[in-house]
Amino acid sequence: DVKVTQSSRYLVKRTGEKVFLECVQDMDHENMFWYRQDPGLGLRLIYFSYDVKMKEKGDIPEGYSVSREKKERFSLILESASTNQTSMYLCASQTGQDYNTEAFFGQGTRLTVV
Amino acid sequence: AQTVTQSQPEMSVQEAETVTLSCTYDTSESDYYLFWYKQPPSRQMILVIRQEAYKQQNATENRFSVNFQKAAKSFSLKISDSQLGDAAMYFCAYRSAINYGQNFVFGPGTRLSVLP
Repeated sequence: DVKVTQSSRYLVKRTGEKVFLECVQDMDHENMFWYRQDPGLGLRLIYFSYDVKMKEKGDIPEGYSVSREKKERFSLILESASTNQTSMYLCASQTGQDYNTEAFFGQGTRLTVV
Repeated sequence: AQTVTQSQPEMSVQEAETVTLSCTYDTSESDYYLFWYKQPPSRQMILVIRQEAYKQQNATENRFSVNFQKAAKSFSLKISDSQLGDAAMYFCAYRSAINYGQNFVFGPGTRLSVLP
C-alpha cells in the first residue's frame, strides 16, 4: 500500500517563526501536492511538484515555499508564520503516468500559529 | 477555471438507510475524471469511487455508487445500507484528462452523520 507520511499531526508555532512541514511517500510517485484545508473551503492547492526540483504554484502560494530535493520528499515552508496560516495542511502524492489514478494523502498536520 | 460545488454542508442518515450526496462542477473540457474522497475523523483522506467522463456507465464500489450526468455536470454519490463507519467528510473532486498542469479541484465538502 502507498504510504504518505507527514512529520507532525499537530504543531504550534509563534508568529514570525519559520516553519517546515515535511512529507514523505514510499511509492516512487512523480507528483506531490500540498493542500490547505479550511472549513467551508475544501482543499486548496498551495504548491505542486511533478519531479525533483520542479515546482508549480497552486491557487494560494503566497506566504509559502516548497522544496523537493529528493523524489520521495516534499517540504512546505512557511517563511514567516502568521496567524492566518493556522489551518490543516495535507500532503498528497500521485503517479505521473495516468491522470485517472487517485491521489494518496497523508494524515494531515494541524498547524496553529499564535 | 474549473469549479466544484457541494451544496449540502451537512447531511445525516439513519443507519441502514440510503443517502445521496450532491456534487456539481463547471468545466468546458470534454474529458476529465471525477472522484469522491472520504475523510473520517482520523483525517486520512481515502478514495471512495472514481468516474471517467467518457464512460457512460455509472461507477459502483460495493455500497457506493454514483449518478453521473455529464450534460448536467452532476456527480452525486449514493451510499446504500449506511453504516456508522461511513460518518465522515466527503469531498467531490475533478481532474482534467487533457491539461497536464491541471490539478485536482475539490469541492467544499459535505459532513455526513450516521445516526444509530
